[in-house]
Amino acid sequence: DTEVTQTPKHLVMGMTNKKSLKCEQHMGHRAMYWYKQKAKKPPELMFVYSYEKLSINESVPSRFSPECPNSSLLNLHLHALQPEDSALYLCASSGLTEGTEAFFGQGTRLTVV
Amino acid sequence: AQSVTQPDIHITVSEGASLELRCNYSYGATPYLFWYVQSPGQGLQLLLKYFSGDTLVQGIKGFEAEFKRSQSSFNLRKPSVHWSDAAEYFCAVVRSASKIIFGSGTRLSIRP
Repeated sequence: DTEVTQTPKHLVMGMTNKKSLKCEQHMGHRAMYWYKQKAKKPPELMFVYSYEKLSINESVPSRFSPECPNSSLLNLHLHALQPEDSALYLCASSGLTEGTEAFFGQGTRLTVV
Repeated sequence: AQSVTQPDIHITVSEGASLELRCNYSYGATPYLFWYVQSPGQGLQLLLKYFSGDTLVQGIKGFEAEFKRSQSSFNLRKPSVHWSDAAEYFCAVVRSASKIIFGSGTRLSIRP
């Protein structure tokens, strides 16, 4: 199984809503990532978890709150987002061997209204 | 600092023609290099990767890439493209701590 599963596929939320994005992998990977991708742009790294601990936060606003409940799951909690946060949010996972490739989910298309 | 440059924003080739997508990297040591493909609204799929050893790397879907240290390049090639190859292609380098740095991407269109 080389799948990274993200739910939901699409999400529309108001600026006062609270929602969560979910990501799951069963490849035994101990690194998990959140990326944000705007239209016609490359993915931008937001967070990295290693062994369920946050190892990288790329100066992401606090309205995005990541959580890694166990080695297979990764959540991204959203609160008080802005319309400019509308984007494709991609989850990825990888091993921790240096240079190992990352496997990406299909993404959640988020629209903030 | 490590970086990846894809000089071509958009390329159009005829179906059946050969393809080469350019990628240049900036990295002090031997880099870990990847090519990913993304269809519209989808996630990224790994086409191939280079870590060390043979500089010509074979990937999925008939793609290959050649690592040229002297030119700091890792260009992606395919001898004959299919309409289904139309997508966005990203070259990437992995920094320490599993941090992937993506190039700006090249959009490939296929002319019937």
